[in-house]
Amino acid sequence: DAGVIQSPRHEVTEMGQEVTLRCKPISGHNSLFWYRQTMMRGLELLIYFNNNVPIDDSGMPEDRFSAKMPNASFSTLKIQPSEPRDSAVYFCASGFNPGQGAPYEQYFGPGTRLTVT
Amino acid sequence: GDSVTQMEGPVTLSEEAFLTINCTYTATGYPSLFWYVQYPGEGLQLLLKATKADDKGSNKGFEATYRKETTSFHLEKGSVQVSDSAVYFCARRDNYGQNFVFGPGTRLSVLP
Repeated sequence: DAGVIQSPRHEVTEMGQEVTLRCKPISGHNSLFWYRQTMMRGLELLIYFNNNVPIDDSGMPEDRFSAKMPNASFSTLKIQPSEPRDSAVYFCASGFNPGQGAPYEQYFGPGTRLTVT
Repeated sequence: GDSVTQMEGPVTLSEEAFLTINCTYTATGYPSLFWYVQYPGEGLQLLLKATKADDKGSNKGFEATYRKETTSFHLEKGSVQVSDSAVYFCARRDNYGQNFVFGPGTRLSVLP
């Protein structure tokens, strides 16, 4: 059974470029999370979708960041324009939400390591 | 708001030593509690969980007991191995809320 799939696994780009990170959640899951992890700030929740609808985007750092979930099997996180301080590991996680509150568990993808020079 | 506090790391132990990583949570609501583990270069994996007071979660020799009276969910293992070296995250899920809250993580290094 495939877990959460993220692509690319590594991305190196120059400041000012657009970056798109992709995520395919586990089939049957209806909740999807995007996190950012750095040494300085630890694990930060960026945005959370439930049934393809953004529920909480209060963690999105600024307007340069945007996330979409056009269907139940695909989500993107876009940074435009990228800056060196965006360098981090970005994780996608999915879970099943039974309709009351957050999903019972979250399953994490392997992450995308982003380096902005 | 809801929060999870963990002991600061890094924690360095010798192989076969006893491990405790402390975790406390805010007492609002009736949360479910989790420990996740992150091995180098990988995403977080669920290690164990407990959904109500006095429940004990266990997996791979690790245990944690949901203590409502002390709002704690400390992770323990009787004899650690080098392969247990990782970062451990405590987390809570508010049963009527919309999200998980993760602690800052505790890095464990086990030396041979």
